[in-house]
Amino acid sequence: DQQVKQNSPSLSVQEGRISILNCDYTNSMFDYFLWYKKYPAEGPTFLISISSIKDKNEDGRFTVFLNKSAKHLSLHIVPSQPGDSAVYFCAAANTGNQFYFGTGTSLTVIP
Amino acid sequence: EAQVTQNPRYLITVTGKKLTVTCSQNMNHEYMSWYRQDPGLGLRQIYYSMNVEVTDKGDVPEGYKVSRKEKRNFPLILESPSPNQTSLYFCASSPRSGGTDTQYFGPGTRLTVL
Repeated sequence: DQQVKQNSPSLSVQEGRISILNCDYTNSMFDYFLWYKKYPAEGPTFLISISSIKDKNEDGRFTVFLNKSAKHLSLHIVPSQPGDSAVYFCAAANTGNQFYFGTGTSLTVIP
Repeated sequence: EAQVTQNPRYLITVTGKKLTVTCSQNMNHEYMSWYRQDPGLGLRQIYYSMNVEVTDKGDVPEGYKVSRKEKRNFPLILESPSPNQTSLYFCASSPRSGGTDTQYFGPGTRLTVL
């Protein structure tokens, strides 16, 4: 049973516009959430994270929002750039040792 | 250069023939983990290790074994591979157990079991 879900397999956005990637989870015990970015033929690379005690974390063009009551998090990329085209995975952890990943969203930023 | 290495990168084998995928990190990280990536299922954790001689099952451990005899190495062992273990495998490491540290992933090993 998938505890972390990304319901949009793909997303296309024009360069310069905002990209919003969504993620839902079912386990209320998760206390740490992460976003990873993956290019073809490479391993995932860490992008941004958020603790369950926060509702927003920002790092440059990337912002993650957490809505615990809705068990939902989102990643905002502003402005989107062609180099952001990749597959994005959200992940969740409790106690920090076991991780659950979503199925990924393939983002295409159109120049 | 700080990195996680996996070998081999590509492997085609036959059902039942034991194999080992090696994983090594040069960052003195405590935590290491194995994942498999399958279409429509994302990344699923197979096993993880919080330190030397400490390993634990992830979400999908059946058919796999691991060992952590040294801090830098965390091999994944398939004693009797089956076609449903055909997948893309990633090893990852992070400085400490506890989730707040970034995981660094290796480049992946594509395994095909015929």
